[in-house]
Amino acid sequence: EPEVTQTPSHQVTQMGQEVILRCVPISNHLYFYWYRQILGQKVEFLVSFYNNEISEKSEIFDDQFSVERPDGSNFTLKIRSTKLEDSAMYFCANPAGPSYGYTFGSGTRLTVV
Amino acid sequence: QKEVEQDPGPLSVPEGAIVSLNCTYSNSAFQYFMWYRQYSRKGPELLMYTYSSGNKEDGRFTAQVDKSSKYISLFIRDSQPSDSATYLCAMILNTGANSKLTFGKGITLSVRP
Repeated sequence: EPEVTQTPSHQVTQMGQEVILRCVPISNHLYFYWYRQILGQKVEFLVSFYNNEISEKSEIFDDQFSVERPDGSNFTLKIRSTKLEDSAMYFCANPAGPSYGYTFGSGTRLTVV
Repeated sequence: QKEVEQDPGPLSVPEGAIVSLNCTYSNSAFQYFMWYRQYSRKGPELLMYTYSSGNKEDGRFTAQVDKSSKYISLFIRDSQPSDSATYLCAMILNTGANSKLTFGKGITLSVRP
């Protein structure tokens, strides 16, 4: 079964530092999403990426966030100046084919200290 | 009113019990409904998806949608300790490029041996 791979699995960073979270999505997909889950809270949509462009972003996805596709197979989520409240699990996801569900990566746990 | 509300937990049942998990939603434009299972510090895993009102069965799992009442349910028959996880309902408006998922908060299920 196709997998979505995320690295690193856990990152600890100091407040104000930049972090880059990486994802290798299911190949040949034009759709790509980032979600975040603060501990104990619901999974929240951050941004959708379609055909190399941001198609929609949430209120959470402010100017501190950016998403890129540095090459044909990798996607990144960058947080320019991390805040304590950015501590969360970050998931990337692809549509899972005809089921219209989504395949999520195992996530990156970001801890800002 | 929150877009998607899920019964609060946690829920603890004995092995073999029938489990009923429920969500309500406020936006009648939601078209696709999903249930995800999430283990601690892992990404959500798609369990079931449905489109129309009615029931959909897959092994011990049955997903039920009532669009007129804006209510969805997941039933687990003959529950097993391995079913212990957090269950998330999710829904989307359409399957286009902006088909972001809107999640419920999740309910943690514990199946006691």
